[in-house]
Amino acid sequence: AQTVTQSQPEMSVQEAETVTLSCTYDTSESNYYLFWYKQPPSRQMILVIRQEAYKQQNATENRFSVNFQKAAKSFSLKISDSQLGDTAMYFCAFLSGTYKYIFGTGTRLKVLA
Amino acid sequence: EAGVAQSPRYKIIEKRQSVAFWCNPISGHATLYWYQQILGQGPKLLIQFQNNGVVDDSQLPKDRFSAERLKGVDSTLKIQPAKLEDSAVYLCASSFRPGTGNTIYFGEGSWLTVV
Repeated sequence: AQTVTQSQPEMSVQEAETVTLSCTYDTSESNYYLFWYKQPPSRQMILVIRQEAYKQQNATENRFSVNFQKAAKSFSLKISDSQLGDTAMYFCAFLSGTYKYIFGTGTRLKVLA
Repeated sequence: EAGVAQSPRYKIIEKRQSVAFWCNPISGHATLYWYQQILGQGPKLLIQFQNNGVVDDSQLPKDRFSAERLKGVDSTLKIQPAKLEDSAVYLCASSFRPGTGNTIYFGEGSWLTVV
């Protein structure tokens, strides 16, 4: 069975600094998708970034980028120039060929002024 | 484009009572999901619909939870009778079609407190 592990329950970063959130996963499939979702205190989850496993190039989306290491089954999220609005829970998610999304337990990120 | 709509946003009930949550997905989205998110945990899939058929309900406690998606659009999730451990946020989400990396879009959630 696929699993997603986020080993950092909480993190904090100073405004304008860079922070990296970790995610590891376990699967025997070769084709899959990985996502980072953000859940602010209002509770609505929104997509931050996604990565197709067959693509070697790491995805980037403005201040957000990933470090995808397929062999190591690692998918970390880097947030550059952190802003107060980045304060939220961040969930790593895996989408398998059976079309089931599996979420990690989340990392609570606090950006400090 | 309207997002995923859910109601009610908040509900407090006593144990053994019943509750129902409603979800209207984004127009044109064939796949609809219900997730349960307990405080401090990640979302757990309860049930996944493709149009009005059930794709996965393996983690749905069928002795007390039920869900339906009539006409392949709106969906209702019911809990009867509720237990204290059902206190959670119930998230509805939808996607255009499963797989192919389609993003899922979440509603704001329905907060349930069972006392």
